[in-house]
Amino acid sequence: DAMVIQNPRYQVTQFGKPVTLSCSQTLNHNVMYWYQQKSSQAPKLLFHYYDKDFNNEADTPDNFQSRRPNTSFCFLDIRSPGLGDAAMYLCATSSLDREDSPLHFGNGTRLTVT
Amino acid sequence: AQTVTQSQPEMSVQEAETVTLSCTYDTSESDYYLFWYKQPPSRQMILVIRQEAYKQQNATENRFSVNFQKAAKSFSLKISDSQLGDAAMYFCAYRGTPSGTYKYIFGTGTRLKVLA
Repeated sequence: DAMVIQNPRYQVTQFGKPVTLSCSQTLNHNVMYWYQQKSSQAPKLLFHYYDKDFNNEADTPDNFQSRRPNTSFCFLDIRSPGLGDAAMYLCATSSLDREDSPLHFGNGTRLTVT
Repeated sequence: AQTVTQSQPEMSVQEAETVTLSCTYDTSESDYYLFWYKQPPSRQMILVIRQEAYKQQNATENRFSVNFQKAAKSFSLKISDSQLGDAAMYFCAYRGTPSGTYKYIFGTGTRLKVLA
């Protein structure tokens, strides 16, 4: 089945230690998104790629970076994680070839910062 | 800027009963898409139902249906014959039409509890 896959499912990192979360998709969608979701809150968009065109949200901290080396993969780098960065990180895709395309989500990576 | 509001942080429904979750939004666009997503505890967020703003007919997917009131900017979700598996967070989301708009704006969610 075509899907969005996030690895790892759970990630523990130390305060200030860089961490990378990964996302891959087999849907061949042209847009990929990274969302941060804290407990019982709405997902907050960090950035998105339309093909290789990177779009950063104005309030996304500089501590968060992203890479999309090809259509299938996208990475979220947190350069110096703080305790406030502990959250669920959701990767999602959509296809703007179809106007009513919904978001397709991965299972998420739950990040713990110790 | 567009906003999405879900005014019910939590709702409860008896198994087999019907429940309606509310969502309102604000936009100056005339054409857009609205979505309801379900996020079970510790599980993947999945699409429940979608609605195109220029379609007057309310979308329906099995036990799930919407009441879309464009003039009132209201998009409620009705779940009929509620089942234990319907317990989850439900998020309403808005997306404008393309031409540079790739963002989906989410409401704060409603936690639905289903009572046996």
